[in-house]
Amino acid sequence: NAGVTQTPKFQVLKTGQSMTLQCAQDMNHNSMYWYRQDPGMGLRLIYYSASEGTTDKGEVPNGYNVSRLNKREFSLRLESAAPSQTSVYFCASSEDATYQPQHFGDGTRLSIL
Amino acid sequence: RKEVEQDPGPFNVPEGATVAFNCTYSNSASQSFFWYRQDCRKEPKLLMSVYSSGNEDGRFTAQLNRASQYISLLIRDSKLSDSATYLCVVTTSTGRRALTFGSGTRLQVQP
Repeated sequence: NAGVTQTPKFQVLKTGQSMTLQCAQDMNHNSMYWYRQDPGMGLRLIYYSASEGTTDKGEVPNGYNVSRLNKREFSLRLESAAPSQTSVYFCASSEDATYQPQHFGDGTRLSIL
Repeated sequence: RKEVEQDPGPFNVPEGATVAFNCTYSNSASQSFFWYRQDCRKEPKLLMSVYSSGNEDGRFTAQLNRASQYISLLIRDSKLSDSATYLCVVTTSTGRRALTFGSGTRLQVQP
C-alpha cells in the first residue's frame, strides 16, 4: 500500500545549492503534481503533468523545473535554492487531471539557509 | 476574489457538537468538488467527494449548491479525532487542468 512515495523526507540546503525531490506512485495514475505549502497557508501548485510526456506550469513555477521520467515518477528540481523556497513540498497523483481526486505523498520538509 | 474561499476559523466546538463549514468558489464552470482533511504538518487526505445530489459518509455530509456556488461539510457528533484543517477543493475543465485548494478551515474539538 505504498501509494505516493516522496524522497527525501527532510533536507537542509545552503543558498545556491541544487537538489532534486523524487516522487513515485504505484497506482497507475496518469496525472502527477507538485505543490508547496508554507506555514499557515494553503497548497500552491508548482507544476503538474497531466499525462506521461507532458508537463505544465502551475501557480508558482519560478525557480523550479520538473521531469516526468515515466508514468510512475515525477521529479522536482531546484537549480539554485533560495531561502524563499523553504517550504513543505507535496507530490500528488490522480487517475486524470480533472475529475478525480488527488492522493498525496507525506511531504518533503525543505529548509534553505 | 479568490477562486476558492473558506473561513479560516478556528471553529472551537465541544465533543458531540454538530459543526458546518462552507466554501465558496468563483468559477461557474467548476465541475468536481472534494473535501480533504489535513492534520498538522501532515499530507492532505481525501475525506469525501461532493456530488450534486449531496452525499453522506457516516457522520459527515457534503452538499453542493451550484446556483450559489458553494459547497458545505457537516460533521455530526464531533470527536476529538476530528480536530484538523478541512480543505475545500474545486476543479474546472477549462484552461489549466488542476485542483484549486482553499486555504482551509481549522476545527478544534474540545473535551
